[in-house]
Amino acid sequence: EVHLVESGGDLEQPGGSLRLSCAAAGFTFSNYAMSWVRQAPGQGLEWVSAISATGDDTYYADSVKGRFTVSRDNAKNTLYLQMNSLRADDTAVYYCAEIGWTQQELVAVQFLDYWGQGTLVTVSS
Amino acid sequence: DIQMTQSPSSLSASVGDRVTITCRASQSISRYLNWYQQKPGKAPKLLIYAASSLQSGVPLRFSGSGSGTDFTLTISSLEPEDFATYYCQQSYRVFTFGPGTKVDMK
Repeated sequence: EVHLVESGGDLEQPGGSLRLSCAAAGFTFSNYAMSWVRQAPGQGLEWVSAISATGDDTYYADSVKGRFTVSRDNAKNTLYLQMNSLRADDTAVYYCAEIGWTQQELVAVQFLDYWGQGTLVTVSS
Repeated sequence: DIQMTQSPSSLSASVGDRVTITCRASQSISRYLNWYQQKPGKAPKLLIYAASSLQSGVPLRFSGSGSGTDFTLTISSLEPEDFATYYCQQSYRVFTFGPGTKVDMK
């Protein structure tokens, strides 16, 4: 059974830094791309970042580009999100998710098929 | 960037009702469209991927259709456990979520 557990969420001051972790189990972590998605209190889902299976390719939403860095350690089955220059609008529950995919009509369609329970990041003075 | 819209933003329905939620992309995304269900305090759950493929374990009352820019999620007969918020998501260019549709009890 796939199991994703996020940790590292905390109360941090504006301008500060936090590193989130996502421990993976129940699947071959090194074979899958991974993603971070966040949800501000009472708001919808916002995609934050993604990383390829090898870690060679990374992607970011414009709202976090230049401030957040996604990485992974395939030997430790762990995904990370380094968050710098935190702002009040970064306050959210942060979820990690496995990126699944399927081949349909010569194209690979990606989706988020397994999610962690989330970790809360609060940015406030 | 690809923008996603959903309509309605909320709806009230009764058990047994047929419910339809629409999602529109700002440009053609072929069939790179997924649907998720989220209940309060819980992580989202994948329902439909590639516009119309049912994720394993998801009840057959859920179905998806569409391609290009216009997509639909249909619940054929609403069950009590279906009251939740539903999000569409494009995966044509990285990921973007729609704003969500909250389905509550009439």
